[in-house]
Amino acid sequence: DTAVSQTPKYLVTQMGNDKSIKCEQNLGHDTMYWYKQDSKKFLKIMFSYNNKELIINETVPNRFSPKSPDKAHLNLHINSLELGDSAVYFCASSATITDTQYFGPGTRLTVL
Amino acid sequence: RKEVEQDPGPFNVPEGATVAFNCTYSNSASQSFFWYRQDCRKEPKLLMSVYSSGNEDGRFTAQLNRASQYISLLIRDSKLSDSATYLCVVNYNQGGKLIFGQGTELSVKP
Repeated sequence: DTAVSQTPKYLVTQMGNDKSIKCEQNLGHDTMYWYKQDSKKFLKIMFSYNNKELIINETVPNRFSPKSPDKAHLNLHINSLELGDSAVYFCASSATITDTQYFGPGTRLTVL
Repeated sequence: RKEVEQDPGPFNVPEGATVAFNCTYSNSASQSFFWYRQDCRKEPKLLMSVYSSGNEDGRFTAQLNRASQYISLLIRDSKLSDSATYLCVVNYNQGGKLIFGQGTELSVKP
C-alpha cells in the first residue's frame, strides 16, 4: 500500500492554464507538506499544514494555493501557470512537525 | 551563502570502496539533522538521522559536529545499489521545515 500518493505523476500543460495536484497519505499523520524540486535539483519547502491549518508559507507566489480538506489530503492548485513553474512537486507527511517526513513519488510538471 | 552546503560530486568509486560525504550548515539554531537518499527521478527517502554522539546503521556511519556546524556520512564497502544522490538535511523545527543541501551524487562502479 502506498503511504503517500500523488496524482497525476506527470502533468504537461500550456502557460496560463490552471492545474491541480492531489496528495493523500494513509499514515494517519497530522502534518503534510509541499516541496518543489527545480531543474538544479534543489528541494525547497513551499507549504506545511498541521491538522489542516497552514503553518508554513515559504514566500510562494499567491498563484499557488494549497487546500487541506482533511488531515489525510493536501492538494495544490496553481493558477496562471508560468514556464518557471516547471519542476517536480513532492508532497510529504509526518506524524507531527518534528517527526520523520515521508515523501510521495512526485509530480513532474512541465509548462510549455 | 547556502543554508546547507554539500559537494555536488559526482563521486565515482569502485565496489567495496569507502566513501565520505561532508556537509556544512549555516544556522546554529538547527535542531535536527538527517541524511536522505534520492534515486534518479524518485522521491527522497530517509537514510538515517544524525545524532551528536554519532550513529551507525550497518555500513553507514553519520557524525555531527555542532561546534563546527558540520555533518558527515561514511559509507563502507560500497555496493552498486548505493549509487544515488545523498541529501544532507537540516530541520529548524519551525513548522517542520526541512532545509536540503543540493545533494552529492555517488556512482559505484563494478
